[in-house]
Amino acid sequence: GAGVSQTPSNKVTEKGKYVELRCDPISGHTALYWYRQSLGQGPEFLIYFQGTGAADDSGLPNDRFFAVRPEGSVSTLKIQRTERGDSAVYLCASSLAGLAGQTQYFGPGTRLLVL
Amino acid sequence: GNSVTQMEGPVTLSEEAFLTINCTYTATGYPSLFWYVQYPGEGLQLLLKATKADDKGSNKGFEATYRKETTSFHLEKGSVQVSDSAVYFCALGYTGANSKLTFGKGITLSVRP
Repeated sequence: GAGVSQTPSNKVTEKGKYVELRCDPISGHTALYWYRQSLGQGPEFLIYFQGTGAADDSGLPNDRFFAVRPEGSVSTLKIQRTERGDSAVYLCASSLAGLAGQTQYFGPGTRLLVL
Repeated sequence: GNSVTQMEGPVTLSEEAFLTINCTYTATGYPSLFWYVQYPGEGLQLLLKATKADDKGSNKGFEATYRKETTSFHLEKGSVQVSDSAVYFCALGYTGANSKLTFGKGITLSVRP
């Protein structure tokens, strides 16, 4: 079966521009997570959805970052007024709910470069 | 807050050598512990996990035991292969509403033939 997919795989933008990053989770997975990975670091949590609602958005660094999951499947991470410090790999993961939900399956990531 | 500390890398070993990668954590309550691996050009994938104290997770010849008394989850393999070359991440997490993962920095393992 298909795994988690993310598009685009690479995104280059200019400082101040708006970007959208898309995540397609594994079919049937109700939990969806976004993480950000800077060079030489481990992934850092951004936001977690259970179904359509954001159950935990404590990792979003500021109000320029926003994410949606309107139908409980595909999610979009939106970054306004991008800054050079936003350059990183953005990872999406999905899992089943409940105890089995502890295993998170990761997508290949979107590499964002802000010039 | 919760945190995971991994030993500094990178690590370079010869094939068939013994591997230990240290991981310690700071957390409230009773988290589950994980090792994730990232092979070159691939995404993060779960290697093994342990959900309670004294549990041993194992997969592909790798093992790690959840030690609550030392707050550790060290990764070991008796005989590494070139194909084990990858970046290894230790992580902790919980079930339910607070199910985000907290990762360590990761360590790069290179295995020479």
